[in-house]
Amino acid sequence: GAGVSQSPSNKVTEKGKDVELRCDPISGHTALYWYRQSLGQGLEFLIYFQGNSAPDKSGLPSDRFSAERTGGSVSTLTIQRTQQEDSAVYLCASSTRQGTNGYTFGSGTRLTVV
Amino acid sequence: AQSVTQLGSHVSVSEGALVLLRCNYSSSVPPYLFWYVQYPNQGLQLLLKYTTGATLVKGINGFEAEFKKSETSFHLTKPSAHMSDAAEYFCAVSETGAQKLVFGQGTRLTINP
Repeated sequence: GAGVSQSPSNKVTEKGKDVELRCDPISGHTALYWYRQSLGQGLEFLIYFQGNSAPDKSGLPSDRFSAERTGGSVSTLTIQRTQQEDSAVYLCASSTRQGTNGYTFGSGTRLTVV
Repeated sequence: AQSVTQLGSHVSVSEGALVLLRCNYSSSVPPYLFWYVQYPNQGLQLLLKYTTGATLVKGINGFEAEFKKSETSFHLTKPSAHMSDAAEYFCAVSETGAQKLVFGQGTRLTINP
């Protein structure tokens, strides 16, 4: 597509429920990234996919967080047993393999855990 | 490990005045440097980038930044602020050959009429 598409744009969930956030990157971009943006916390790296290589999961804050990328395209970030501290905006970005042109970001999913 | 420090979480300037947003980085290898802008309820948009070559880079909306290796800085400037420049600005660094960007904490720019 023309840009990075994220869905849903907003999600309200009850504490303890599981949520899935979706990211559809730019066609042809081999690299895909998830970041979390909390109020006053800047952008926190979560996970990075590059082609068929093993993902860099070093930023995932706990084992409640997982992500997969099917067919080298669409990615799903799953948060199990959500907690109130998981409330944030989750941003997805994609780039070419070299990454020298920077990332293209989606508009994000605003997650609110009540 | 790479890191980015943005001096000033909030900057306020008058319309027509100079905009200066400061960014310092640390990197053990030659860095790639980026500035992004985020408008309310939107994702981040690339303003400009430095990878190699000319150290003064020009971006969109009249912004520019200069890579100064000796000062490990990549400050963002615009000669004359416009009301539409009000947004949050993020500086980011990646190491040459790597792709994971490390972002600063962001600077919220307010433009006073």
